[in-house]
Amino acid sequence: SQTIHQWPATLVQPVGSPLSLECTVEGTSNPNLYWYRQAAGRGLQLLFYSVGIGQISSEVPQNLSASRPQDRQFILSSKKLLLSDSGFYLCAWTPSGGARNEQFFGPGTRLTVL
Amino acid sequence: GEDVEQSLFLSVREGDSSVINCTYTDSSSTYLYWYKQEPGAGLQLLTYIFSNMDMKQDQRLTVLLNKKDKHLSLRIADTQTGDSAIYFCAEKTGGATNKLIFGTGTLLAVQP
Repeated sequence: SQTIHQWPATLVQPVGSPLSLECTVEGTSNPNLYWYRQAAGRGLQLLFYSVGIGQISSEVPQNLSASRPQDRQFILSSKKLLLSDSGFYLCAWTPSGGARNEQFFGPGTRLTVL
Repeated sequence: GEDVEQSLFLSVREGDSSVINCTYTDSSSTYLYWYKQEPGAGLQLLTYIFSNMDMKQDQRLTVLLNKKDKHLSLRIADTQTGDSAIYFCAEKTGGATNKLIFGTGTLLAVQP
């Protein structure tokens, strides 16, 4: 069966520090991968999605970036965090080529920028 | 543009039925979904419906789709305190995109 992992679960970082959040998927190959941010416990904002290694689409302009160095690994990064980067970050995957495109979510990372 | 809207809050008593509503704007939507998010957790896929269906039932959950009005609803029968969560509807739009458009979420509070 497929599982999706995110770490760390929680993170407290000072303004201006770098960020690296990791997401990995097990039990599937060539998934589509997504990064979302959820602010104040409501609403999902799609940040990035990837249909393959090295292929990243950015949905909103921001100081975050994403990378996919391996088929089942998706990384969200920042060189310098802002206060507004605080939120709940969710990674999701979906089978590639599927018609339904239902997305399966990881447990999330709670980021607090102070 | 694509937009999915939900009411923000719903309060019901334990044992009653809950109905959570959602409206969307993209008439080319192919699949529509309901997700549940418990506090501090990721989203859990509850159910989905294909756009050529009017209704889908899965145990205590009933999904109704009115494609003419672009209206989707989720009915939870015999609502329990464990059903308290935020519920998101989402649509898969037509075309080559692999993205889902999520609603703003409805907070369901179940009173004992």
